[in-house]
Amino acid sequence: NAGVMQNPRHLVRRRGQEARLRCSPMKGHSHVYWYRQLPEEGLKFMVYLQKENIIDESGMPKERFSAEFPKEGPSILRIQQVVRGDSAAYFCASSPYGQAPNSYEQYFGPGTRLTVT
Amino acid sequence: DQQVKQNSPSLSVQEGRISILNCDYTNSMFDYFLWYKKYPAEGPTFLISISSIKDKNEDGRFTVFLNKSAKHLSLHIVPSQPGDSAVYFCAARQYNTDKLIFGTGTRLQVFP
Repeated sequence: NAGVMQNPRHLVRRRGQEARLRCSPMKGHSHVYWYRQLPEEGLKFMVYLQKENIIDESGMPKERFSAEFPKEGPSILRIQQVVRGDSAAYFCASSPYGQAPNSYEQYFGPGTRLTVT
Repeated sequence: DQQVKQNSPSLSVQEGRISILNCDYTNSMFDYFLWYKKYPAEGPTFLISISSIKDKNEDGRFTVFLNKSAKHLSLHIVPSQPGDSAVYFCAARQYNTDKLIFGTGTRLQVFP
């Protein structure tokens, strides 16, 4: 049973470019979460999605950031016009939501390290 | 506003002894607590969790204790092994949401 997959693992973008991060959840998981970790900090929630639906985007910056989880294919976190402050590790997690008894547990991918130059 | 706090940024323990990692929280609406272990350049790995209606959960060398009145939980690792050296994050889920709130982590080093 493959774990959560993220690609690319490392991404370098110049200021003003777009960054596109992909996440494929674990098999059987239909719920995806995105978190961001800045250096020397804990993970901060960004957005929670299920297929074709954003459930909670309370942690997403209002501008330049968007996320989707289409019916087919991976979830994508898109950052437009990147700035140096966007440099961070972005982690995706998935959960077996609704599948008792541990539907609240989230399983993380290896992360994408975004560097903005 | 840091709702989940890990006040010890680092901990050093000898191999074979007990490691105790602590976590405090402020939100009474948290209903599940989870511990994750993270190696450099990897994603967090789920270790163990506990429901707010319990006070202890054990899985092999790992035991989590929850003291609701003190809003405090701890992770015990016995016996500690060098492979346990990593950053440990405490996380909490607020009732009726599905996002996790993470602490800032404690770096555990287990030396021979």
